[in-house]
Amino acid sequence: EAQVTQNPRYLITVTGKKLTVTCSQNMNHEYMSWYRQDPGLGLRQIYYSMNVEVTDKGDVPEGYKVSRKEKRNFPLILESPSPNQTSLYFCASSPPGMVNIQYFGAGTRLSVL
Amino acid sequence: AQKITQTQPGMFVQEKEAVTLDCTYDTSDQSYGLFWYKQPSSGEMIFLIYQGSYDEQNATEGRYSLNFQKARKSANLVISASQLGDSAMYFCAMREGRKTDSWGKLQFGAGTQVVVTP
Repeated sequence: EAQVTQNPRYLITVTGKKLTVTCSQNMNHEYMSWYRQDPGLGLRQIYYSMNVEVTDKGDVPEGYKVSRKEKRNFPLILESPSPNQTSLYFCASSPPGMVNIQYFGAGTRLSVL
Repeated sequence: AQKITQTQPGMFVQEKEAVTLDCTYDTSDQSYGLFWYKQPSSGEMIFLIYQGSYDEQNATEGRYSLNFQKARKSANLVISASQLGDSAMYFCAMREGRKTDSWGKLQFGAGTQVVVTP
């Protein structure tokens, strides 16, 4: 089954404790992206990757890192999480040549205390 | 600057009626794409419909149609014959063209919460 898988689905952590949210897709998609969703703000793009080893900042990259060492995985890293990073996070991917369609993961709800 | 504006935070619609969700956008690029996504209470994001800026006809997908008015920079979503299962948050989004620095970016509006009543 074609899918985008995020782990964990729920995470509660404390300020400053490094964490990684994993994202994996099994569709050989080149384009992958991370978003955060906050009430009243919609989804805001954090980082995106056009292909392996190619990443770029979205609208809200501060406090986040990503890597794209292989096509299927695009982890989101919070080196020193802060409470303002409490949010719902989505990973998405797009088929080659069809960047107009994005397949979203189920979301990761993160709380930073 | 906000590039996607959805002015309706929420709306009620009766079952079987049509509903129009407003979306206006801001871009100076000639080539761009507009999208609508649905997010039910379960949280997943579901792609509904896409309109390219060069598409001459309005996009349609089943009960969904996109009323694209390029000169007004609006891309309203029309849901015909609403069903209870249409209750959800709806997001409008835009991707700008290849020649812009924003090619890889997808920008979303704040969303419109739709509640369909029996």
